[in-house]
Amino acid sequence: QVQLVESGGGVVQPGRSLRLSCAVSGVIFSDYPMHWVRQTPDKGLEWVAFISHDGTNRNYADFVKGRFSISRDNSENRQYLQMNSLTTEDTALYYCASDGGGGSFDHWGQGTLVTVSS
Amino acid sequence: SYLVTQSTSVSVAPGQTAKITCGGPDIERKIVHWYQQKPGQAPVLVIFYDEDRPSGIPERFSGSNSGNMASLTISGVEAGDEADYYCQVWDTVTAHRVFGGGTKLTVL
Repeated sequence: QVQLVESGGGVVQPGRSLRLSCAVSGVIFSDYPMHWVRQTPDKGLEWVAFISHDGTNRNYADFVKGRFSISRDNSENRQYLQMNSLTTEDTALYYCASDGGGGSFDHWGQGTLVTVSS
Repeated sequence: SYLVTQSTSVSVAPGQTAKITCGGPDIERKIVHWYQQKPGQAPVLVIFYDEDRPSGIPERFSGSNSGNMASLTISGVEAGDEADYYCQVWDTVTAHRVFGGGTKLTVL
């Protein structure tokens, strides 16, 4: 079955960087567009970023403001989220999710927790 | 950016029908998806393209989108349906995906 496993979360100081990774198995990864979605108790679920199946098309939520970069390595069945200039507002559980068509997310990982704190 | 609104909570007795609504400007012209999230778990897609059920989702779950409101209806509610439910819209103008704030379903 489809499995998505995130890693790379942790505690980081404001202004620093972090790189999240998502390993995907059970599907032909190179066929699937992918996303990052985050969740906080206050704001709920927030879509963060999208990358097309071949990496040529990327799209970001407005709050990213050029700080985050999504990428993928189809040879490794992995996608990444490089997060720079982190603020406390970026503290969240970050999910990797596959695109289910029509803008939906059909498979989700269990999430990796990012805490931005001094 | 597109805004999506949901009521914060719905309570129903077992066996009854729960209706969870999702509003937004011209939402009937958008594609709406619904997710169920239980405590400590990742969201699960339960309705996509307004009314379609992914494989493995019980027929008790149905969706609609008309008259400026999208709805998720759960018939014959069971204790195991207690969860947070999120609607999500694909804003095709920006290609952004937008979630509602979530509705907590309590089974009395």
